[in-house]
Amino acid sequence: AQTVTQSQPEMSVQEAETVTLSCTYDTSENNYYLFWYKQPPSRQMILVIRQEAYKQQNATENRFSVNFQKAAKSFSLKISDSQLGDTAMYFCAFMKHAQGGSEKLVFGKGTKLTVNP
Amino acid sequence: ETGVTQTPRHLVMGMTNKKSLKCEQHLGHNAMYWYKQSAKKPLELMFVYNFKEQTENNSVPSRFSPECPNSSHLFLHLHTLQPEDSALYLCASSPQRSGAEAFFGQGTRLTVV
Repeated sequence: AQTVTQSQPEMSVQEAETVTLSCTYDTSENNYYLFWYKQPPSRQMILVIRQEAYKQQNATENRFSVNFQKAAKSFSLKISDSQLGDTAMYFCAFMKHAQGGSEKLVFGKGTKLTVNP
Repeated sequence: ETGVTQTPRHLVMGMTNKKSLKCEQHLGHNAMYWYKQSAKKPLELMFVYNFKEQTENNSVPSRFSPECPNSSHLFLHLHTLQPEDSALYLCASSPQRSGAEAFFGQGTRLTVV
């Protein structure tokens, strides 16, 4: 079974600074997907960024980027130029590859990020 | 707004009550999910439906009964719940495609008294 570990229950950062959230996972699969989801106080989980394991290039989405280390099974999220609206719970999630179908997400416990003015 | 709508947003029920949670999506997705989110724990997958058929039941107690009448609607029927069932219940949907993003609703905050 796959497991996802987020070792930082809480973090804080000053507005405009950069912060990195850690995530490690355990799997015997070779083909899979990794995600970072954000859950603001409104409770709605929103996808931040997605990485395909077979791609060596790290995914980026505007101010959000990942450091994907497949051998180390590490998938950290870097938020640059932090904004107050980035305050939220951040969840790292794993999904194994499935031929022609969807698969379930396995989540970590989350990191609560607070951006301070 | 993700296109997945859950009602009600909040629910308080007694242990002898029967209630239902509703989830609706019009994104054309064929996979729908129920997750339970408790404090200090990872999201727990409860049920998966693909093309209206239940494909996964993650050892959920029978006091939780899902129903998927069509690909756009998903229900979670609740009866004789326990206080430890109090949690945020999240619905999600996704395309029937490997690695596809899941879209989540805002959840129902359930309190069992």
